[in-house]
Amino acid sequence: GAVVSQHPSRVICKSGTSVKIECRSLDFQATTMFWYRQFPKQSLMLMATSNEGSKATYEQGVEKDKFLINHASLTLSTLTVTSAHPEDSSFYICSAIYHTGDRGPGYTFGSGTRLTVV
Amino acid sequence: AQSVTQLGSHVSVSEGALVLLRCNYSSSVPPYLFWYVQYPNQGLQLLLKYTTGATLVKGINGFEAEFKKSETSFHLTKPSAHMSDAAEYFCAVSESHNNDMRFGAGTRLTVKP
Repeated sequence: GAVVSQHPSRVICKSGTSVKIECRSLDFQATTMFWYRQFPKQSLMLMATSNEGSKATYEQGVEKDKFLINHASLTLSTLTVTSAHPEDSSFYICSAIYHTGDRGPGYTFGSGTRLTVV
Repeated sequence: AQSVTQLGSHVSVSEGALVLLRCNYSSSVPPYLFWYVQYPNQGLQLLLKYTTGATLVKGINGFEAEFKKSETSFHLTKPSAHMSDAAEYFCAVSESHNNDMRFGAGTRLTVKP
């Protein structure tokens, strides 16, 4: 249980275009989702926290107008990279919280999206 | 905000040798601690986590970690390394009041035959 499906797994786009990445919770309701960015051989950096029905909370230094996050339902959050540039090329990973009862929060991760902007 | 520090960006061991990956955390409240493994171009796989209760946590693939509050540590160990253990390992921390997860810089484990 607690599976998150992330699509697409890979995308190549031209500079100046926009790309949408989807993150779906398949068997649970995800009121909170997270979006991370990972550069080659580096760690995951939290970009934003997405709460269903409200505006996302962005980490310092992340441009909210460039990285649009929508969490309109309890099973879907999307990240749109607008006017993409080569420096936006990266590995993007979504994550969602699920509840495990008395064992604290559980976190499940999507399989990631490799974005290449040419 | 909570944070983790992983000592050693690269650890190399021989097959069959002990694996020790170090993680220290900083948190203003009792933390939730996690270890994840990542293979190239893939997502994260949870190895183990500590939330409450027993401080020695056993995970998948023979890994275990011990939460030591006095040392603010959560080091990952495995008695005998296998070639398939070669991967990137991330320590992570979250807190009950905000739930967002912060990752360490990662440690790349290499296993030599």
